[in-house]
Amino acid sequence: DTGVSQNPRHKITKRGQNVTFRCDPISEHNRLYWYRQTLGQGPEFLTYFQNEAQLEKSRLLSDRFSAERPKGSFSTLEIQRTEQGDSAMYLCASSLVIGSYNEQFFGPGTRLTVL
Amino acid sequence: AQTVTQSQPEMSVQEAETVTLSCTYDTSESDYYLFWYKQPPSRQMILVIRQEAYKQQNATENRFSVNFQKAAKSFSLKISDSQLGDAAMYFCAYRRFSGTYKYIFGTGTRLKVLA
Repeated sequence: DTGVSQNPRHKITKRGQNVTFRCDPISEHNRLYWYRQTLGQGPEFLTYFQNEAQLEKSRLLSDRFSAERPKGSFSTLEIQRTEQGDSAMYLCASSLVIGSYNEQFFGPGTRLTVL
Repeated sequence: AQTVTQSQPEMSVQEAETVTLSCTYDTSESDYYLFWYKQPPSRQMILVIRQEAYKQQNATENRFSVNFQKAAKSFSLKISDSQLGDAAMYFCAYRRFSGTYKYIFGTGTRLKVLA
């Protein structure tokens, strides 16, 4: 197992276009998180899944954003009608919840640039 | 709501010297976890060290140690015998003891190691 992977690593798009990112978590990890990191800021929570169920969404996740995790494996994050303010690094993390402690393992991120 | 503050945007340290990165947080909860994550340039975040709030003993991992002051809500990271490979962004993060397990990150401190 090589860890959390994300594709693509970089995406450049024009304003108004739709984009989709993919995250492949570590095998057997039952929780998957999406964070957004803008320049000069720390990552901010967007949403998370427990297996295939999306259990929480941040207010940062506008109606243009949608995330799925079919069959509790990989996850996709789609942004519709992109805006320049969506330009950021999108990070995925996964964890195996056992008891109260579970370490989140992060992927390398997808850097989105909206022109 | 919980918040995490890192007041040092950038720090420099000479190779082999010791440096301390500061972090303060705000929470009304008594049980929680605190973390330091390292984010090298263009690479994924990795966990450096974690501290359980119910443990009075400060966590230590090789050259990395923390000074956890629960009453003061302070959580600093000390890096001893700094190495060139320590150069990175360092993020302090808070996580509730139970619930979503989402992380709340500070804005980060960029550490430069001078040869």
